[in-house]
Amino acid sequence: GIQVEQSPPDLILQEGANSTLRCNFSDSVNNLQWFHQNPWGQLINLFYIPSGTKQNGRLSATTVATERYSLLYISSSQTTDSGVYFCAVLPGGSEKLVFGKGTKLTVNP
Amino acid sequence: GAGVSQTPSNKVTEKGKYVELRCDPISGHTALYWYRQSLGQGPEFLIYFQGTGAADDSGLPNDRFFAVRPEGSVSTLKIQRTERGDSAVYLCASSFGLDTQYFGPGTRLTVL
Repeated sequence: GIQVEQSPPDLILQEGANSTLRCNFSDSVNNLQWFHQNPWGQLINLFYIPSGTKQNGRLSATTVATERYSLLYISSSQTTDSGVYFCAVLPGGSEKLVFGKGTKLTVNP
Repeated sequence: GAGVSQTPSNKVTEKGKYVELRCDPISGHTALYWYRQSLGQGPEFLIYFQGTGAADDSGLPNDRFFAVRPEGSVSTLKIQRTERGDSAVYLCASSFGLDTQYFGPGTRLTVL
């Protein structure tokens, strides 16, 4: 099946810093979603981005489907950005999201 | 509108017992999914419903796990003869077609 790799696995930042999270996938996909899992375990939708670039406030994401990767940019990080960021893909012909192992982000004040 | 809701939020049971986990999807969403998340891992697919029927149950680990969605809305995940290895967070998601999947808060199952 499709492989989804996220990097880095852990990231520690000072408040105000910028960061880039990466998601590589091994096959073509119909859908790609970025999630933030907060400390209470809730998965919060950030982006639905099978291709192209989207921005939402301090967050933006870019997916280059032909090269099988996606990037999540976090600017001016805040302590509330802490948590685990997951990339999940919907492989062609499938309805089930396949998740990466996540990037654990810690933003210190 | 209201998001996906799941009950209970926490469930502690003893090995060998039967449990039921409930999911209320977003109103109007035709597709419903169950995933399971173990500590330190990403969620893993269990089963997918399109309407009332299970369109794909390939992720169910064994025949102790079963899920239903009798009226095409609420779904129940049923686990028989629970084992300690079933301890995890069980997540439900819903979507309209193959669009964005929206996740509920999960049920944390602990099998003692």
